[in-house]
Amino acid sequence: DSGVTQTPKHLITATGQRVTLRCSPRSGDLSVYWYQQSLDQGLQFLIQYYNGEERAKGNILERFSAQQFPDLHSELNLSSLELGDSALYFCASSAERGRPVYGYTFGSGTRLTVV
Amino acid sequence: TQLLEQSPQFLSIQEGENLTVYCNSSSVFSSLQWYRQEPGEGPVLLVTVVTGGEVKKLKRLTFQFGDARKDSSLHITAAQPGDTGLYLCAGAGGTSYGKLTFGQGTILTVHP
Repeated sequence: DSGVTQTPKHLITATGQRVTLRCSPRSGDLSVYWYQQSLDQGLQFLIQYYNGEERAKGNILERFSAQQFPDLHSELNLSSLELGDSALYFCASSAERGRPVYGYTFGSGTRLTVV
Repeated sequence: TQLLEQSPQFLSIQEGENLTVYCNSSSVFSSLQWYRQEPGEGPVLLVTVVTGGEVKKLKRLTFQFGDARKDSSLHITAAQPGDTGLYLCAGAGGTSYGKLTFGQGTILTVHP
């Protein structure tokens, strides 16, 4: 157990639907990162939050949004889902605000399948 | 955009053999990390290298950061089936402030 909790582990949904992925960071970590992993694209950075505020944004689609709550858990909302959104979605946390010099702790991911 | 290129993409070897995985970029990174990922799990941090020319050893694994902090290598001595997995390098710093840039990964299979 890495200390980063992601739910659900698996999600199957239809095109056009909306889903919410949840992440609880490791105790004491204030930064939360969301990544998408697919076979052809590898691990792609979506967004980072630090202590409730957005810190950095990657190539996150407009249909996707995220937030970090006062208790530091984070949610990634994916809407108007398309077949191409099928992927593994990882949340990672770190104690660092800026450059993650000392690395991330990853959760075990949510496998999203859009049918 | 910072890119990290890993090679080889796939590596299939016999138990007891040695191997090296490379991670190269045209960009300078303030640090570079190596992760190992198993099916159904998230990547797990193996090591962080920070100083150009730095060498770190973790049992049978040796990690090196290039002098110019643009490249890194992972060498495994006497590979074992338990080393099987996806190995990822990831760079921090420069224009990637606030995030790690990951290489595409190397899938290593060690046959008994």
